[in-house]
Amino acid sequence: DAGVTQSPTHLIKTRGQHVTLRCSPISGHKSVSWYQQVLGQGPQFIFQYYEKEERGRGNFPDRFSARQFPNYSSELNVNALLLGDSALYLCASSLDGLRSADTQYFGPGTRLTVL
Amino acid sequence: SQQGEEDPQALSIQEGENATMNCSYKTSINNLQWYRQNSGRGLVHLILIRSNEREKHSGRLRVTLDTSKKSSSLLITASRAADTASYFCATEDTGRRALTFGSGTRLQVQP
Repeated sequence: DAGVTQSPTHLIKTRGQHVTLRCSPISGHKSVSWYQQVLGQGPQFIFQYYEKEERGRGNFPDRFSARQFPNYSSELNVNALLLGDSALYLCASSLDGLRSADTQYFGPGTRLTVL
Repeated sequence: SQQGEEDPQALSIQEGENATMNCSYKTSINNLQWYRQNSGRGLVHLILIRSNEREKHSGRLRVTLDTSKKSSSLLITASRAADTASYFCATEDTGRRALTFGSGTRLQVQP
């Protein structure tokens, strides 16, 4: 079975632009979470979605938004990009994300560089 | 914001030696998990320990959890060059399913 897939692998944008990152969860997983990892730090939680509904949101500005589709894939959108948005964006899928200790499986990430 | 601190920030050992990494956290948790990350790639789940457990083993990995001190340790025995990576602890806080990660320990295993 394929693991979590993310696209694109790398992306270069300029300040003020908009970006859309995509994630496909493991087959059978209904929950997707997004994390931002700035170089040299641990990942920080952005969003969690389950059955197309937002279940949790981290401390990120409204420029960040996401959605989940009927096939459980997800998109992360970032508007008005800032230099500080340069990071590795990680997607994680889990069976339902509602039960404690539901293991999250991470994708390879999308490396976003904002110039 | 990061949940807590990991100690040490970097660790260099010889192949065959044991590596110990520590993690501290601040809030009440449901469980604590350890992940490995190679060269800025995706995270690989290593082991999960629940808040009512004190010790857990998986192959060459041994994890302990002390909820009274809000700390955990990861021991990798008989390390190999392939263990070279960054290791992160992550907590699942009570009332929240999202993971809160520490700042990580960079482990270098010299062949």
